[in-house]
Amino acid sequence: QSALTQPPSASGSPGQSVTISCTGTSSDVGGYNYVSWYQQHPGKAPKLMIYEVSKRPSGVPDRFSGSKSGNTASLTVSGLQAEDEADYYCSSYAGSNNFNVVFGGGTKLTVL
Amino acid sequence: EVQLVQSGAEVKKPGESLKISCKGSGYIFTSYWIAWVRQMPGKGLEWMGIIYPGDSDTRYSPSFQGQVTISADKSISTAYLHWSSLKASDTAMYYCARAKCSSTICYGGDYWGQGTLVTVSS
Repeated sequence: QSALTQPPSASGSPGQSVTISCTGTSSDVGGYNYVSWYQQHPGKAPKLMIYEVSKRPSGVPDRFSGSKSGNTASLTVSGLQAEDEADYYCSSYAGSNNFNVVFGGGTKLTVL
Repeated sequence: EVQLVQSGAEVKKPGESLKISCKGSGYIFTSYWIAWVRQMPGKGLEWMGIIYPGDSDTRYSPSFQGQVTISADKSISTAYLHWSSLKASDTAMYYCARAKCSSTICYGGDYWGQGTLVTVSS
């Protein structure tokens, strides 16, 4: 499977909103509501920020929100803060009985 | 508190074998799938496969089928990732994660280990 497509970079000033896209196909993003988003700071493990397109795990600020339209999912970070600067990865269930999951290539979010 | 603690960094030569581990605590280890994810230097995340420690049901991503072996020992709440013959291209950070599942579908990870860096070099 090909990786999902994300923009390599995104940026915004503190307090602003930024949206990161994640484009797949009808076999992954478009076919299932099992899109997740992860935040990864340098040298750290990924952290789950959004699951099942738009749900937030306990402890994740409501500044983070997710959505999906067709084959494209999006992560929006509102009220940008310095600590939001990190790499963000989307992932999607890709079907079959081997529980296959595909990831996006990652987006480096810079807080200006 | 849910924790996944992985074994330490490894430096190996091509052709050598290796098994790294991931010990779960703070939850019922046998009731959740464990996934393994690769991150090559400076690159993105790749889903390798997943195991259900309760019955050792294991599923591999097509890209990793036959390249690695995933196993688990439920008596000590530990999952493993094993290579029989390492290659330089196996150099990467490897993460285990407790899989996020909904009914019969697993699609991500909600708790992650700290990662194990594997370096393969002659």
